[in-house]
This record gives sequence, structure tokens and C-alpha cells, in this order.
Amino acid sequence: EDQVTQSPEALRLQEGESSSLNCSYTVSGLRGLFWYRQDPGKGPEFLFTLYSAGEEKEKERLKATLTKKESFLHITAPKPEDSATYLCAVRVFSGGYNKLIFGAGTRLAVHP
Amino acid sequence: DGGITQSPKYLFRKEGQNVTLSCEQNLNHDAMYWYRQDPGQGLRLIYYSQIVNDFQKGDIAEGYSVSREKKESFPLTVTSAQKNPTAFYLCASSPQDYRSYNEQFFGPGTRLTVL
Repeated sequence: EDQVTQSPEALRLQEGESSSLNCSYTVSGLRGLFWYRQDPGKGPEFLFTLYSAGEEKEKERLKATLTKKESFLHITAPKPEDSATYLCAVRVFSGGYNKLIFGAGTRLAVHP
Repeated sequence: DGGITQSPKYLFRKEGQNVTLSCEQNLNHDAMYWYRQDPGQGLRLIYYSQIVNDFQKGDIAEGYSVSREKKESFPLTVTSAQKNPTAFYLCASSPQDYRSYNEQFFGPGTRLTVL
């Protein structure tokens, strides 16, 4: 069964304290891995797409990496405005269409 | 500005009522999707549409219905057959679903509460 697991469920950091969020997946035929940021009561905001193992993407304090079994979202020197829930999703071909399978997310809180 | 709009932001439904959630996009995207988000769970796909006048059931379609009469619009009706409709509903779109790596872009969401 295709599955996406994110860890930890929640993470509390001090401002400037770097850390990583994990997204592990077991799917048959990965067709892309996506990271989104979601603020409370709002829709997810697209961050990155990763296509193949070894690929890396960066945006400001965020860096996403991909291996054959997992992806990491590294946050360098986070600021309070980075507080949000970070969602990971993998695209697979299932039931005749390209389907996104989402993890439950990691709730990040960055304190001054 | 291009984007996806959803209305209303908050919706309250009485038992036995059908309600319709609106989703409009001006991104000229072919594919549109409806997801449901519950606390502690990942987004789950309700329905999707790859092209006008065509749509398919997702993983949790029971108790929901959709239409796709215009490229820009993909309304979702939550019927009285949906046993536990209280949730946050998200609409998304992407340029073309059959291109595997196209990102999906999300609207701001509608929070539905059953009274």
C-alpha cells in the first residue's frame, strides 16, 4: 500500500536553531515529491518539487533533498515567521490517474 | 491576479441539508481537485476533473457530488448522505493532470461545520 509518513508530528525550535523535517514514503513508481507550507486556516502553499533521488532545491532558509526512500526539509536559522505546518506529498499513478498521497504534516513552531 | 478562490470561508450546515462549496480558478488550468482535511490526517482526495464535462471519484467520494460545466469552476456539493461532513475542504488546480510532475495549487479553503 502506498504510504507517506512525516516526522516528527510537532517540532519546537528556538529562533536560529537549525533542524530537519522528515518525509518517508513507500510507493510503487514515484512520479515526484512535493513540499507545501500551510498556515492555520489557509490552503497549502507550494514550496518545492523533487523528481529523482539526489536532487536538492533551496528557497531562502529552506532546503529540500530526496533519496529513494525519504525526503528531508532542512530549515537553517529559522525565524518565527517560518512557523507553520509543512506537508509532504508524493505523486503516484494509481487507479488510472496521477494521484497525490499526502502525509499528515509536521507542525513547526519557532520561538524568539 | 491569477489564483483560486473558494467561497464561503465558513459554512454551517444543519443535519439533512445539502450544501454547495464554490471553487473558481483563473489560472487557465485544465485539472481541478477537491480534498478534505481532518486534524491529524493527510489531505484526502474526494473528486477530480481532468477536463470540462468529465470528472472521476477519488478515495472518499461517498456523500459528495461535483460538476464541471466550465473550465474555471468546479463546485462541490456535500449531501445529507455524507455522515461526517465537518472538515476543512480544499480545492486545487494544476495545468494538466496527465503530465506527472505538474504541481497542484490550492485555494484558501472552506471550513464546514455541521450543527
